[in-house]
Amino acid sequence: DAKTTQPPSMDCAEGRAANLPCNHSTISGNEYVYWYRQIHSQGPQYIIHGLKNNETNEMASLIITEDRKSSTLILPHATLRDTAVYYCIVRVVNFGNEKLTFGTGTRLTIIP
Amino acid sequence: DTGVSQDPRHKITKRGQNVTFRCDPISEHNRLYWYRQTLGQGPEFLTYFQNEAQLEKSRLLSDRFSAERPKGSFSTLEIQRTEQGDSAMYLCASSFTRRSYNEQFFGPGTRLTVL
Repeated sequence: DAKTTQPPSMDCAEGRAANLPCNHSTISGNEYVYWYRQIHSQGPQYIIHGLKNNETNEMASLIITEDRKSSTLILPHATLRDTAVYYCIVRVVNFGNEKLTFGTGTRLTIIP
Repeated sequence: DTGVSQDPRHKITKRGQNVTFRCDPISEHNRLYWYRQTLGQGPEFLTYFQNEAQLEKSRLLSDRFSAERPKGSFSTLEIQRTEQGDSAMYLCASSFTRRSYNEQFFGPGTRLTVL
């Protein structure tokens, strides 16, 4: 699976959009971009995933650049409960490649 | 749907003792995963099961570690002759193969401290 690079930490004001970048310049054509987050003392939680197109769900939006070498997770109206470590993961989705390879992620702190 | 549960949530043991953790996946999920997480790091994959078959093991899973999933339901992870380096959070996750993107749902973890 391709390696990802994320900033170690970010702050965002409550109520503003939080934009979390991820670089995956070595991504291959069949690798998806996944985002998980981990709130303190809990297990990771799936947020969103995408291949080429931008994606949106009830939690967040995922913007993937046209060359797919980077992506941005957007939390549109951050709340204090969004304070967590956010992990960007790229992986091939097929039988036999089941593991998620986590990096160190971005520690997002929402400021009141 | 009660989510993935793990027991115990915390375990303190002395070096050299054996410990066993249990994971109960979401009921219809046929895949079950174990990860380990040390302080300041992301989770690291240990092993996974499809139903009762253990299909992949990381090289992190030394011969002191053994995982089982009898009858394809709950799973246990045993660590024999624990060492201080085994101190970590042990996370279990489950997924359902018919979901196209195989989203993994994680439990709250078992925090192991080896003294």
